Amino acid sequence: GAGVSQSPRYKVAKRGQDVALRCDPISGHVSLFWYQQALGQGPEFLTYFQNEAQLDKSGLPSDRFFAERPEGSVSTLKIQRTQQEDSAVYLCASSSAGTNYEQYFGPGTRLTVT
Amino acid sequence: SQQGEEDPQALSIQEGENATMNCSYKTSINNLQWYRQNSGRGLVHLILIRSNEREKHSGRLRVTLDTSKKSSSLLITASRAADTASYFCATEKNFGNEKLTFGTGTRLTIIP
Repeated sequence: GAGVSQSPRYKVAKRGQDVALRCDPISGHVSLFWYQQALGQGPEFLTYFQNEAQLDKSGLPSDRFFAERPEGSVSTLKIQRTQQEDSAVYLCASSSAGTNYEQYFGPGTRLTVT
Repeated sequence: SQQGEEDPQALSIQEGENATMNCSYKTSINNLQWYRQNSGRGLVHLILIRSNEREKHSGRLRVTLDTSKKSSSLLITASRAADTASYFCATEKNFGNEKLTFGTGTRLTIIP
């Protein structure tokens, strides 16, 4: 079936604007993850859902970042009052529930805050 | 914060040669995974090795894991131009929370 999709692929926001990034996981995947990847770095964990429950949000850098997955499928990462340091690629991944499963990554959303 | 560090940070080899990348990590793990990322694209899973395994093969890939040294290596044999990419190791630390902690990556360039 289709892989993980993310939209938009590119987003330019003026500093102070709010943005919403969407992730459509692979159908049937229980686990969903958001990661942030700065230029030249490895991805860093932001938050994790199992179905609609947000089990870990320890990686969210500030209270301006908020994620939801209300029906246990599509997820939205929202960033309020964007700042320049929020510029990065935001990656979404999904996997089957449980440990020792690979994660399937989407193409990412490249956010540039000007 | 990044759990692991890969070395080298960058590697250039001739097509057909073997490429070896190393990864070190800091805490105990449940499994270690290697991912490939082509320029400007998402990550693709290559191989997963569990903490009770020492070596695993998949096609031209060979991964080793030494939990006593908290290190892993990825060997790509008979490299091809299409192997040019960044390679990341990632660790899953806990049962019940499958979040991955990524290393800093190795940029591999295969020279045709």
